[in-house]
Amino acid sequence: AQSVTQLDSHVSVSEGTPVLLRCNYSSSYSPSLFWYVQHPNKGLQLLLKYTSAATLVKGINGFEAEFKKSETSFHLTKPSAHMSDAAEYFCVVSYTGRRALTFGSGTRLQVQP
Amino acid sequence: DTAVSQTPKYLVTQMGNDKSIKCEQNLGHDTMYWYKQDSKKFLKIMFSYNNKELIINETVPNRFSPKSPDKAHLNLHINSLELGDSAVYFCASSQDASSGELFFGEGSRLTVL
Repeated sequence: AQSVTQLDSHVSVSEGTPVLLRCNYSSSYSPSLFWYVQHPNKGLQLLLKYTSAATLVKGINGFEAEFKKSETSFHLTKPSAHMSDAAEYFCVVSYTGRRALTFGSGTRLQVQP
Repeated sequence: DTAVSQTPKYLVTQMGNDKSIKCEQNLGHDTMYWYKQDSKKFLKIMFSYNNKELIINETVPNRFSPKSPDKAHLNLHINSLELGDSAVYFCASSQDASSGELFFGEGSRLTVL
């Protein structure tokens, strides 16, 4: 089955410290991978996407993610957390030939002052 | 101007009632979606339309009926509402059916009493 796993349901960091949100995917076919962010009571917004070009992908708000085929991972990072980064983050995978996206279960990022 | 707008934002109703949620996108996209997000933030695709044609119809009770009068609109009608239908329903759109870059509305929170 094609799936995506977010390894942490909840991550808490201090403002100014690095952020790491982990995501693994199943590797049946070459995937396209995405990270979406959902702020409280808002819709989801695309942060960044990987579609078989550069393995290190830069997104909005200082986030980036690295596609590692050998580890079937697509972890999201940011060097320095800001209070406004507090939100729910979703790792999403799309497989060639399958129209529906598969969403991970989400990671809630909390940023402490 | 809001890219993907859905109404109403909040909906509280009794079990057994029928209700509708409307969605409109002004992005000129060909494809529109309905997603359901449960209380644990899990997102599940319900339906997708491409140029008014239904292309994704996941395992959803037939009490749920989508309707796309034109490619800029996708409405969701729900008959005989049940307690388990309580959730946040998100409308989204994308350039085409193969794009993983979705633009989401802000959600419609349905509460069934």
